[in-house]
Amino acid sequence: ETGVTQSPTHLIKTRGQQVTLRCSSQSGHNTVSWYQQALGQGPQFIFQYYREEENGRGNFPPRFSGLQFPNYSSELNVNALELDDSALYLCASSLATGLAGNTIYFGEGSWLTVV
Amino acid sequence: GESVGLHLPTLSVQEGDNSIINCAYSNSASDYFIWYKQESGKGPQFIIDIRSNMDKRQGQRVTVLLNKTVKHLSLQIAATQPGDSAVYFCAERRDNFNKFYFGSGTKLNVKP
Repeated sequence: ETGVTQSPTHLIKTRGQQVTLRCSSQSGHNTVSWYQQALGQGPQFIFQYYREEENGRGNFPPRFSGLQFPNYSSELNVNALELDDSALYLCASSLATGLAGNTIYFGEGSWLTVV
Repeated sequence: GESVGLHLPTLSVQEGDNSIINCAYSNSASDYFIWYKQESGKGPQFIIDIRSNMDKRQGQRVTVLLNKTVKHLSLQIAATQPGDSAVYFCAERRDNFNKFYFGSGTKLNVKP
């Protein structure tokens, strides 16, 4: 139990729709990262939020966007869904940045299927 | 491009034997590494970590070794149990902002 909770756990969307995924970080953690994990692959970094600001982005198009709230919870939004967006979306929280050794703790993920 | 990769996609071991899972990385600036275990349908679970100023770290039944000269990381699991069956990922941190890069994983099968 990492204390990182995500919702919904499973959802199915139609191509072209929009989706919002939610994450509550571990208590006291001020940094939230989102990862996409396609079947059979390792997680890929989407972006990170630190104190409500985006703090780094991976190779994902602008239709992937996010928010972090004052309580450090976060949302991942994906617009204009494509079939290849079908994946497990993982949220990870950690404490602070800039320090070596800040372990990131993952939630159980949200399984998104785009049909 | 620079990447994190694993030498063996699948590893099968007998229950009670020791397991060694390997990982190669190519970014010499990476300063922190984590091993995760992922069971089917679940999120990655932290196992053990190591900073780049160390070459070995031990936990309960697990040991991580870091060889910066050849950019190699390994996870050793002692007395492997059926509950250790999962996919194992190594992740490297390449900057100061806690962004991690994962390999494609090694599946560990423990035979009873």
